[in-house]
Amino acid sequence: GAGVSQTPSNKVTEKGKYVELRCDPISGHTALYWYRQSLGQGPEFLIYFQGTGAADDSGLPNDRFFAVRPEGSVSTLKIQRTERGDSAVYLCASSPQTGDTEAFFGQGTRLTVV
Amino acid sequence: EDQVTQSPEALRLQEGESSSLNCSYTVSGLRGLFWYRQDPGKGPEFLFTLYSAGEEKEKERLKATLTKKESFLHITAPKPEDSATYLCAVQLNTGGFKTIFGAGTRLFVKA
Repeated sequence: GAGVSQTPSNKVTEKGKYVELRCDPISGHTALYWYRQSLGQGPEFLIYFQGTGAADDSGLPNDRFFAVRPEGSVSTLKIQRTERGDSAVYLCASSPQTGDTEAFFGQGTRLTVV
Repeated sequence: EDQVTQSPEALRLQEGESSSLNCSYTVSGLRGLFWYRQDPGKGPEFLFTLYSAGEEKEKERLKATLTKKESFLHITAPKPEDSATYLCAVQLNTGGFKTIFGAGTRLFVKA
């Protein structure tokens, strides 16, 4: 695919459940970002990967949130013991290399915790 | 505290009526300032990156400028298809690659 792909596009889960959100970046892009966007707000930074390692995870709100990128391509954002306040659109973005500031965003996963 | 503030929250223009959107920032260290466009239900789409005060960039009807404390996105003779939310973001140079977004300006252009 030509762009960043995120799956699923929508996810409804019950409070307390575990969810995984997947991001397929543009092929060859080494930098990958996760953001969270609430209605009427701008994206909120969560974590940044350079290759397989998390170069900056300062935006993760608490230890219920975790993200991996084991082979330096696909990334998974994992949320444990979901809470209603976790409901938001989770956006993934990638860019070709470290320091590149132009990021290409996916369409996001809309997570609803009921 | 690092902060990015956009104004106005919403802007309604007639087709052809030029205007400007503002992004003011207070950050510990600036690596770059970005402008993105976001359509409903979609991810942000990159428009510009500005790195230093005095820099300007143009693309079709859009022109972005940067000072030490704020950035402007000027829209000249807008068309209905320019209707979208415009997001400003600042990437920090404090060791990581954290990027802080503003809440956006929702632009409506009426034919």
